[in-house]
Amino acid sequence: AQSVTQPDIHITVSEGASLELRCNYSYGATPYLFWYVQSPGQGLQLLLKYFSGDTLVQGIKGFEAEFKRSQSSFNLRKPSVHWSDAAEYFCAVGESAGNQFYFGTGTSLTVIP
Amino acid sequence: GAGVSQSPSNKVTEKGKDVELRCDPISGHTALYWYRQSLGQGLEFLIYFQGNSAPDKSGLPSDRFSAERTGGSVSTLTIQRTQQEDSAVYLCASSRTGSGSQYFGPGTRLLVL
Repeated sequence: AQSVTQPDIHITVSEGASLELRCNYSYGATPYLFWYVQSPGQGLQLLLKYFSGDTLVQGIKGFEAEFKRSQSSFNLRKPSVHWSDAAEYFCAVGESAGNQFYFGTGTSLTVIP
Repeated sequence: GAGVSQSPSNKVTEKGKDVELRCDPISGHTALYWYRQSLGQGLEFLIYFQGNSAPDKSGLPSDRFSAERTGGSVSTLTIQRTQQEDSAVYLCASSRTGSGSQYFGPGTRLLVL
């Protein structure tokens, strides 16, 4: 069965610092991978997705993620964090573009001045 | 354009009562998903509708939970004989066929006393 692990429950970074959020998945074939962000009081918003092709994908708000098959990882990165990036981040995996998806337990990001 | 809407936004009920949660997906989106998000947890998949196909109910936690989707649009999630452990935020999402990009509603926060 598919599963997603986000090892970091909570991360604190200084504004302007770089960010990397980890995501590891368990799936036999090539997965469909997603990152979502949930800001306080807001619904989940898709940041980026990977289906195939270039393993480095660009998303909204300056985020990017890299698919590494050998490590079963899809880590999210941002070179310079803004205070507005404070939120909960969820990684998700699906077996196809339209099937059910499995979400990690999320990483809570705090940004300090 | 209009996003995914859910109603009610909050629901407080007594243990043993039935509740109905409603989801209005984005027009034209053929896929509809229900998830449950408990405090400090990730998103738990409940059920998936795709067009006129039989729904994937594999995530429903018990036979007290059911969902239907009328006319390929609006969906209702029904919880019978609610229990305190049903307290959570229930999220609905929709997507176009094959896109994999889910658009989430704001959720219904359910509290069972």
